[in-house]
Amino acid sequence: AQRVTQPEKLLSVFKGAPVELKCNYSYSGSPELFWYVQYSRQRLQLLLRHISRESIKGFTADLNKGETSFHLKKPFAQEEDSAMYYCALSRYSGNTPLVFGKGTRLSVIA
Amino acid sequence: DSGVTQTPKHLITATGQRVTLRCSPRSGDLSVYWYQQSLDQGLQFLIQYYNGEERAKGNILERFSAQQFPDLHSELNLSSLELGDSALYFCASGGGARSYEQYFGPGTRLTVT
Repeated sequence: AQRVTQPEKLLSVFKGAPVELKCNYSYSGSPELFWYVQYSRQRLQLLLRHISRESIKGFTADLNKGETSFHLKKPFAQEEDSAMYYCALSRYSGNTPLVFGKGTRLSVIA
Repeated sequence: DSGVTQTPKHLITATGQRVTLRCSPRSGDLSVYWYQQSLDQGLQFLIQYYNGEERAKGNILERFSAQQFPDLHSELNLSSLELGDSALYFCASGGGARSYEQYFGPGTRLTVT
């Protein structure tokens, strides 16, 4: 069965500190992994996907197939990073439903 | 603003009733996905339509049904409502140029009393 686990419901860090939001998945095959973010009073939106290997807003995420993990990292947290972060997977690229983790609320303290 | 619209924003109804949630996808997107977000279950996929046809089914109850119309808007029908159906219902659209990306609407908050 497909499953995404985000072990932390809430993560609080100080501004300027490194951030790591954990995500583990189980899937028999080669899924595509995503991070979606929801800022206060805004819609859920795509932050990044593992295939693109981009850095978005200073965030990166590397897919570790051996550990079945896709942790989201940022070296220096900013107050505007405070939001709800969801890890998600889909069966393959393009036009397929997402399986979401339960989300981690990141709070960056000034 | 993702361009996906959902109506109504809020809905309060009684147990046993039936409601219809509406979603209009972004221009150019052929897929509509419905997700349910509850406190205990998180965001769960219900059903996907692509260009009018059912494409994938998730954890959707038999009391729930959906359809996608020729103009590509979609409706989610929830019947014989129970207290446990209270949740935030999100619609997302996709299947356009960036086919891997889903664009979410603002959600409809359903409260069953």
